[in-house]
Amino acid sequence: GEDVEQSLFLSVREGDSSVINCTYTDSSSTYLYWYKQEPGAGLQLLTYIFSNMDMKQDQRLTVLLNKKDKHLSLRIADTQTGDSAIYFCAESIDTDKLIFGTGTRLQVFP
Amino acid sequence: GAGVSQSPSNKVTEKGKDVELRCDPISGHTALYWYRQSLGQGLEFLIYFQGNSAPDKSGLPSDRFSAERTGGSVSTLTIQRTQQEDSAVYLCASSDTSGGLLGELFFGEGSRLTVL
Repeated sequence: GEDVEQSLFLSVREGDSSVINCTYTDSSSTYLYWYKQEPGAGLQLLTYIFSNMDMKQDQRLTVLLNKKDKHLSLRIADTQTGDSAIYFCAESIDTDKLIFGTGTRLQVFP
Repeated sequence: GAGVSQSPSNKVTEKGKDVELRCDPISGHTALYWYRQSLGQGLEFLIYFQGNSAPDKSGLPSDRFSAERTGGSVSTLTIQRTQQEDSAVYLCASSDTSGGLLGELFFGEGSRLTVL
C-alpha cells in the first residue's frame, strides 16, 4: 500500500542540527520531496531528491536517501527559530500524484 | 492573484448540511489536487484533475464527497450531509505538469471546515 510515515514531533535548540526522518513503502517512487508548512500557511516545496541519488545538499539542508531501507531524511544545519514549522515528506507514485506523510512538527527553542 | 486561492477560509456548519469549497488554481496550471489535513493524520489525498483526463477519485472517503473542475480551471469540492469527522482543513494545490518541476505543487492556504 501507499504509506509514508514520520514521527510527529521534534524539538531542538537554536543553533543545533535537526534531523527529520521518513519511511515510505513504494520502491517505484521517482522523486521524493520535502515540503514545509509554516503556521497558517499552505505547504511549500523545500527540496527534492531523484530516486537514483543518495544525497543532495542545498545550503543548510541535506537530504539523504536510503533506497534499500526506503528511508528519507532531512537535516537542517544551524536550526533557527524561523525553521519552526511542519515538515512533510512525499513520494510521487504516478508521475505528478504525490502521497504525503503525516508531517513532523519542528519546534525550535532558544 | 498569483497564487492558489481558496474560499471560504473558514466554514462552520451543522451536521447534515451540505458544503461547497472553492479553489482557484494558478493560471495555466493543468493539474489540480485536493487534500485533507486532519490533526495527527497528515495530508490525505482526495482527488486529482489533470487536463481533460478523467479525474483520479481514488482518495475520496465516501460517496458524500464529490469534486468538479469546470473549464479546466476553478474547482469545487462538495461534501453532502456533513459529519463531524469531516472537520479538517481542505487544501487545494495546482501544478504545471507541462514544464514545471515534477511534483512541485503550489498550495492554497486551505479552507478550515468545522462541523458541529
